[in-house]
Amino acid sequence: DTGVSQDPRHKITKRGQNVTFRCDPISEHNRLYWYRQTLGQGPEFLTYFQNEAQLEKSRLLSDRFSAERPKGSFSTLEIQRTEQGDSAMYLCASSLEAQETQYFGPGTRLLVL
Amino acid sequence: DQQVKQNSPSLSVQEGRISILNCDYTNSMFDYFLWYKKYPAEGPTFLISISSIKDKNEDGRFTVFLNKSAKHLSLHIVPSQPGDSAVYFCAASEAGANNLFFGTGTRLTVIP
Repeated sequence: DTGVSQDPRHKITKRGQNVTFRCDPISEHNRLYWYRQTLGQGPEFLTYFQNEAQLEKSRLLSDRFSAERPKGSFSTLEIQRTEQGDSAMYLCASSLEAQETQYFGPGTRLLVL
Repeated sequence: DQQVKQNSPSLSVQEGRISILNCDYTNSMFDYFLWYKKYPAEGPTFLISISSIKDKNEDGRFTVFLNKSAKHLSLHIVPSQPGDSAVYFCAASEAGANNLFFGTGTRLTVIP
């Protein structure tokens, strides 16, 4: 399978704990995006990388959230001191630089107790 | 402020008939529009897109229509099949921008 992959698919954590999610984009895609989706809503943009550079961050990305893409391939999204309001589906997408269509992974569902 | 709106949360259609899913937007700077299909516990799957320079794009059973003056687009599925049952999201982006704005989705149920 050469699509976008995400790990883990599910994560249950206690409030106050840190969590980290991983995304592996489609191999030739140099753009990578993180979105968050809550119940009854569409995905909402969090941040975007072109190669290893983080070029855009949404105001939804509070200072407890940090994302990296150190070698321009896979990316990690870390949430520190999780809160119950962080419970959501975290989606990763990738695209080619000259292409506007983004291809999504299966998502990581986070539940903060 | 929801810039992309899908006002119908759900739609039921008989197998073999046409499904029409609607989407409205408020941002006149949007120039690229996409439809995604989502099954439970999976990520959105890209279906079809349209650039603002066109008013129609067709791919097999799926056709997207864009009415720029009305800031409205629609997805037609003909004929509808039970496997089309899913949540459909409309999304849009501005020229040169990197994020997609999504609607809240419409749950399509195709009845066999």
